[in-house]
Amino acid sequence: QKEVEQNSGPLSVPEGAIASLNCTYSDRGSQSFFWYRQYSGKSPELIMSIYSNGDKEDGRFTAQLNKASQYVSLLIRDSQPSDSATYLCAVNQNRGGYNKLIFGAGTRLAVHP
Amino acid sequence: EAGVTQSPTHLIKTRGQQATLRCSPISGHTSVYWYQQALGLGLQFLLWYDEGEERNRGNFPPRFSGRQFPNYSSELNVNALELEDSALYLCASMRIGATYEQYFGPGTRLTVT
Repeated sequence: QKEVEQNSGPLSVPEGAIASLNCTYSDRGSQSFFWYRQYSGKSPELIMSIYSNGDKEDGRFTAQLNKASQYVSLLIRDSQPSDSATYLCAVNQNRGGYNKLIFGAGTRLAVHP
Repeated sequence: EAGVTQSPTHLIKTRGQQATLRCSPISGHTSVYWYQQALGLGLQFLLWYDEGEERNRGNFPPRFSGRQFPNYSSELNVNALELEDSALYLCASMRIGATYEQYFGPGTRLTVT
């Protein structure tokens, strides 16, 4: 089992729709969760952080965390063609003072006009 | 606030040579992480430096090494380059604390011929 799993996509949604991206993780001790957006050929950009169960909203983005189910998701409302990118889920792993982010392989999102 | 910077943007080397990549973190950030992203693949953790010390390394051979300077900038060295080392090398910085948010630089595209 991979430490962080995402559907590779592509996830295709029409402009204006809600895009739903999902991620599961294996380490029950993880406490910090992140979503990054990566355009082709560019570096990842942090768009959301979430640390507590429930929802966290920032503009058109909502992150949802359920630690009991080891599941984190990202909703993008009113999707725009400019949202077309690969979305990376990352989970912080802190073991014995060693801290690192474990990344999923990413979900490619395509928003079509 | 200036972001993470990396140099050079592109680097072309031949097999067997050495490559040196550089990274300057966000002001106030003491941790620097290095990642490799080969074409079509996910982010693979390489090295973590904090306060001038190597804190953790990923599953990469010893020919991948680096260091962190007193001003917290960092250098990644790749010796005896192989064709499969061709990838985007990303540096991220983090302020040690409760959030564990990592911010990425633009990356260095290394091509080994």
